Amino acid sequence: EVQLLESGGGLVQPGGSLRLSCTASGFTFSFYTMNWVRQAPGEGLEWVSSITGDGGGTNYADSVKGRFTVSRDNFKNTLYLQMNSLRAEDAAIYYCAKDIPDWGSAFDLWGQGTMVIVSS
Amino acid sequence: DIQMTQSPSTLSASVGNTVTITCRASQSIDSWLAWYQQKPGKAPKLLIYRASSLQTGVPSRFSGSGSGTEFTLTISNLQPADFATYYCQQYRSYSLAFGGGTKVEIK
Repeated sequence: EVQLLESGGGLVQPGGSLRLSCTASGFTFSFYTMNWVRQAPGEGLEWVSSITGDGGGTNYADSVKGRFTVSRDNFKNTLYLQMNSLRAEDAAIYYCAKDIPDWGSAFDLWGQGTMVIVSS
Repeated sequence: DIQMTQSPSTLSASVGNTVTITCRASQSIDSWLAWYQQKPGKAPKLLIYRASSLQTGVPSRFSGSGSGTEFTLTISNLQPADFATYYCQQYRSYSLAFGGGTKVEIK
């Protein structure tokens, strides 16, 4: 079955760190740019980060640049998001999403999301 | 960075109606625009990519048009399953950006 499964969310104090994982199945993971998108409670969608299929290229939203690091392990079919110096405004559901098999980053496969809560 | 503005933010309609949602980009994005549907508690679902290409499995009552800075998503013959929130997204350049969303409600 073609799917993405996120894990690693939870409650963390402001200033703390968390690492999210997204395990892929049912497609050739290394062929695709992968992405993280988040959604704060009751709010819209916000793109967070992207990483190319070979892991050699990354991009970040200004809101997380310097604090978050995206990486991937193509042998384990797993995408990661290392989140440091977490702030209250980082609290959200974090989705991983796969690029379409076409030029550019529209997202044709999404995980179910993992919740991150930042609170003391 | 490119900003995306959707209108309206909320739309009330009845089953069988045709509804149109507009998305405007702060600068030209050619046809690098996608539309998503999101239902409460669920991940978004891709409906349209490259402004007008229907994603596999999406009903043909959904259609997209536009290029440059102005785009529309049209839903014809609105069905009960279509009541949801819709987002546009530009992928002309990083930072990728979503519109603020349009909630389609039952009238």
